[in-house]
Amino acid sequence: AQSVAQPEDQVNVAEGNPLTVKCTYSVSGNPYLFWYVQYPNRGLQFLLKYITGDNLVKGSYGFEAEFNKSQTSFHLKKPSALVSDSALYFCAVRDNTNAGKSTFGDGTTLTVKP
Amino acid sequence: EPEVTQTPSHQVTQMGQEVILRCVPISNHLYFYWYRQILGQKVEFLVSFYNNEISEKSEIFDDQFSVERPDGSNFTLKIRSTKLEDSAMYFCASRPGLGLNEQFFGPGTRLTVL
Repeated sequence: AQSVAQPEDQVNVAEGNPLTVKCTYSVSGNPYLFWYVQYPNRGLQFLLKYITGDNLVKGSYGFEAEFNKSQTSFHLKKPSALVSDSALYFCAVRDNTNAGKSTFGDGTTLTVKP
Repeated sequence: EPEVTQTPSHQVTQMGQEVILRCVPISNHLYFYWYRQILGQKVEFLVSFYNNEISEKSEIFDDQFSVERPDGSNFTLKIRSTKLEDSAMYFCASRPGLGLNEQFFGPGTRLTVL
C-alpha cells in the first residue's frame, strides 16, 4: 500500500526567506508524486508533479520540488517566500493503475510572516 | 481555462436524509473521482469511476454511497441516509485519459449533517 508522510503540521517562515515543506513517501514500483495547495474555503490546486526525468521539478507560483529516490522524499521548496503563499499544502502519491487514485499526506500549514 | 465545478457549495441536511452532490468534470476527461476531507483532517479517497463503472472504491465507500454519471456532463455522489460523521468537504476530481497526469479538483461541497 502506498503512503505519504508530511512530518510537520506547521511551517513558519519570514517573507523573503527560502521555504521547505517536507514530504516522504512509500510506494511499490515507480512513484508518481504531486503537490497541491489549498487556500481557506477553496479546493485543491495543483502545483507540480514528478513522474520521471529530472529530480528537480518546477511548478506554479515559483515553487519547485526535489525528488530524492534514496531518501524517498519529495520536498517542496521556494527560494523566496511571499505572504500570499500562506496556505495548506498537501503532498500526494498516485498509484500506477489506470484508476490512479491519490493518497494524500496530512497536510502542512505554511505561514509566511511579513 | 476549463475547470471542475461542484454544486451546491454548501449543503445542510438532517441525519437520515438523502443528499446528492453534483459535479461537472472537465469535458474531455475520462476518469472521475470523489474525495472527502473531514474538518482538520487529510483528504481521503472515496471512489474512482471510468467508462461508466466504478474502478476502485475505499472502505469508506459503503452501501450508503453511490455514484452516477447520468448524462455526458454530470457526475454525482449520492449518500442514501446521512450520518453525523458524513459531515465533511467533498471534492470531485477528474483527469484526462491514459497517462500519468494530475487530477483536477473542484472547489468542493461542504456537507453539514445535523
